[in-house]
Amino acid sequence: DIQMTQSPSSLSASVGDRVTITCRASQGISNSLAWYHHKPGNAPKLLLHAASRLQSGVPPRFSGSSSGTDFTLTISSLQPEDFATYYCQQYYISPPTFGQGTKVEIK
Amino acid sequence: QVQLVQSGAEVKNPGSSVKVSCTASGGTFTNYAINWVRQAPGQGLEWMGSIIPILSLENYAQKFQGRVTLTADRSMRTAYMELRSLKSDDTAVFYCARGLVAGRTILEMDVWGKGTTVSVYS
Repeated sequence: DIQMTQSPSSLSASVGDRVTITCRASQGISNSLAWYHHKPGNAPKLLLHAASRLQSGVPPRFSGSSSGTDFTLTISSLQPEDFATYYCQQYYISPPTFGQGTKVEIK
Repeated sequence: QVQLVQSGAEVKNPGSSVKVSCTASGGTFTNYAINWVRQAPGQGLEWMGSIIPILSLENYAQKFQGRVTLTADRSMRTAYMELRSLKSDDTAVFYCARGLVAGRTILEMDVWGKGTTVSVYS
């Protein structure tokens, strides 16, 4: 199975901060990567797919990029509703696998 | 806009089975896959398996092979996940998630249910 390694596992930030989360795949996955936002008790929400394509309705402060097997999610200006856990997920090869998550907390 | 509505919380004894449903409200999941993802307490997301009803195609994570069965009804509105021989460490929230399909490949999961909590204890 392809291993997805996210870093950091958690971070503290303030409203308005720029936040970057990275995800590394254990082998090449082309651009077959999605990012999700998840708050406890809620449904996970798709933010980006194909590494950098913003899902319809997602604010443009979210962006994604890739370089080889490294992928990055950037939130340009953190908003109160963005405090949550973020997961990357590859869908290049079955089984689809998730990163372990990055919890974004209020500083 | 399609929403996925899942069945309610369950409390089960070890060794028993649970069947969770996932109903598409406002549409169907024809031409889509339905994935099932588990989140144990304090843990991340773990894919269990998927079904592409229109292709009658199922795919299971090796970890759950033989213990889980995914089905969908003929109307393509409700999918089910049955997990058998429950253990205490099966206690988790189970999510269904619609997956876009390209050929036989399942892509990103664009619509998720709110989850069903299954608690297993004696």
